[in-house]
Amino acid sequence: NAGVTQTPKFRVLKTGQSMTLLCAQDMNHEYMYWYRQDPGMGLRLIHYSVGEGTTAKGEVPDGYNVSRLKKQNFLLGLESAAPSQTSVYFCASSYYSGGVGYTFGSGTRLTVV
Amino acid sequence: EDKVVQSPLSLVVHEGDTVTLNCSYEVTNFRSLLWYKQEKKAPTFLFMLTSSGIEKKSGRLSSILDKKELFSILNITATQTGDSAVYLCVLRYTGANSKLTFGKGITLSVRP
Repeated sequence: NAGVTQTPKFRVLKTGQSMTLLCAQDMNHEYMYWYRQDPGMGLRLIHYSVGEGTTAKGEVPDGYNVSRLKKQNFLLGLESAAPSQTSVYFCASSYYSGGVGYTFGSGTRLTVV
Repeated sequence: EDKVVQSPLSLVVHEGDTVTLNCSYEVTNFRSLLWYKQEKKAPTFLFMLTSSGIEKKSGRLSSILDKKELFSILNITATQTGDSAVYLCVLRYTGANSKLTFGKGITLSVRP
């Protein structure tokens, strides 16, 4: 089925460890986004990409890096995980900018201990 | 300071009730206001509102935007247990990359 696939779905990290979250979409969307969702905070934009080879900072980019080497993939990296990065991470993609046509992945629940 | 404020934060109703979910915002330079429903996982799109006073309707759900008073409401009539979810109000700004700003969401619980 066409859509946005996030891997992994769950992960527990120790403080200081690194990891990469993968987002893959097969809808030929130009725009891709990484959000984090915390209780009582709503979804907040971490980084986004408006096309292959481009990335830009969102609202809460510190502690994260991203890459968009291929159009269908958007990677979110944590170089040195901190407990404050415990959250649910959502990837989304859209054909054009904006909310209509946004497709969200099913989320990655990350716990940093 | 929050730019999108949703109220109430949570709500418990019984099946068959009608609910009104509120969203107020502070900015004026936005392209559209969106409503999403989030159950266990990813948010799913409900409505996009761009013009003031025009109601969007889908089954038991309807929504309207008031650009003068800077708010939107989402109505759900004859609620069902399947309506239990978090409802997100989202602003889509103008600009080439028109990012989204999410409200904190309203948790609706519909009891049998």
